[in-house]
Amino acid sequence: SAVISQKPSRDICQRGTSLTIQCQVDSQVTMMFWYRQQPGQSLTLIATANQGSEATYESGFVIDKFPISRPNLTFSTLTVSNMSPEDSSIYLCSVLLSRSSYEQYFGPGTRLTVT
Amino acid sequence: AQSVSQHNHHVILSEAASLELGCNYSYGGTVNLFWYVQYPGQHLQLLLKYFSGDPLVKGIKGFEAEFIKSKFSFNLRKPSVQWSDTAEYFCAATGTASKLTFGTGTRLQVTL
Repeated sequence: SAVISQKPSRDICQRGTSLTIQCQVDSQVTMMFWYRQQPGQSLTLIATANQGSEATYESGFVIDKFPISRPNLTFSTLTVSNMSPEDSSIYLCSVLLSRSSYEQYFGPGTRLTVT
Repeated sequence: AQSVSQHNHHVILSEAASLELGCNYSYGGTVNLFWYVQYPGQHLQLLLKYFSGDPLVKGIKGFEAEFIKSKFSFNLRKPSVQWSDTAEYFCAATGTASKLTFGTGTRLQVTL
């Protein structure tokens, strides 16, 4: 397994501002992902964070709105840019220890409220 | 398109009752199936997984799930629930790309 931490755990932000969420893993991992869980809904994959290259975004998510960095095998950031109240969600990072395992481990999440 | 559906949105059971939560998937090719649980105030945890082999898989805390390929189902079961099983349960699936697709979740409430 892996121990995953996220910062901040929660934040309240004003419309039009940006927030960067950090995800730190205690060991090197193959893949890192970012998900969004909107109130009362399930988890939706935003993007796959690729080490040393641009993230791979899912349909409906774009780099300008959700820029992602992954400078090494244990750390990634997700920025929520130019926020609106619709961005109020829990944002989670997850990691895949190896491609053959398919098991993803999730961080505790960042609860974002946009006013 | 790949999808996972959970038909039970909110289930209320008394302690010691048996549990079965439905999960159906629509996936082309090889599929790997998971059940995750999210206890109140805690993060998502893996309950059990199916990759191949025995279609009846056992997970933590007495949970099990059965993969029925002909029905595209992966239902979660527990013979006797406890109050501490109160949580939200998510069925999820992935193919070879390792990207998880989640169902909408089932909120389980166990009463004393």
